[in-house]
Amino acid sequence: AQSVTQLDSHVSVSEGTPVLLRCNYSSSYSPSLFWYVQHPNKGLQLLLKYTSAATLVKGINGFEAEFKKSETSFHLTKPSAHMSDAAEYFCVVSDLTTSGTYKYIFGTGTRLKVLA
Amino acid sequence: EAGVTQFPSHSVIEKGQTVTLRCDPISGHDNLYWYRRVMGKEIKFLLHFVKESKQDESGMPNNRFLAERTGGTYSTLKVQPAELEDSGVYFCASSLYSSGGYYEQYFGPGTRLTVT
Repeated sequence: AQSVTQLDSHVSVSEGTPVLLRCNYSSSYSPSLFWYVQHPNKGLQLLLKYTSAATLVKGINGFEAEFKKSETSFHLTKPSAHMSDAAEYFCVVSDLTTSGTYKYIFGTGTRLKVLA
Repeated sequence: EAGVTQFPSHSVIEKGQTVTLRCDPISGHDNLYWYRRVMGKEIKFLLHFVKESKQDESGMPNNRFLAERTGGTYSTLKVQPAELEDSGVYFCASSLYSSGGYYEQYFGPGTRLTVT
């Protein structure tokens, strides 16, 4: 079975400074990985996904993530944080089920706080 | 295009009562998923429908939970009788395909269930 580990439950950055949210995965095959964001009182929104094409994936709102197989990592970055980036971020791996379909396995989430 | 909608947004019930949550997926999405986040824990998979058929219900906690998707459109998740540990946020998601792990799921805003 696949799994993901988000190494930080909370991250605080100052507005205008870089953001790094860490995610490590465990997979017995080439994984599909996703980052989702949840703003307060909103649903989960897809930021970006890795599906074995380019290892550097660009997403919405200036976020990007790099798939590193040797490190089993898929860290999320942004060069300059904005106040509106304050939210909870989830790293997700797609897991093959016994019925041949896929379900999501979520990390525990990282709450990003952006300081003015 | 309308997104995934869930009703109600919040529900507060007493232990032993029954609650029914509803999810309307994106039109044309055959795949519908239910997930749950108990406070302080990660979001966990409950079950997956393909049209009206349950493809995978390995995440359903116990037989107090009953999910249906009559006609392959909207889905309901009934909890009967509710227990305190059922409190959490219930998310619904839909996707066009499920045969490949790289197809993203689109999430609703969730239903926050509180059992007192």
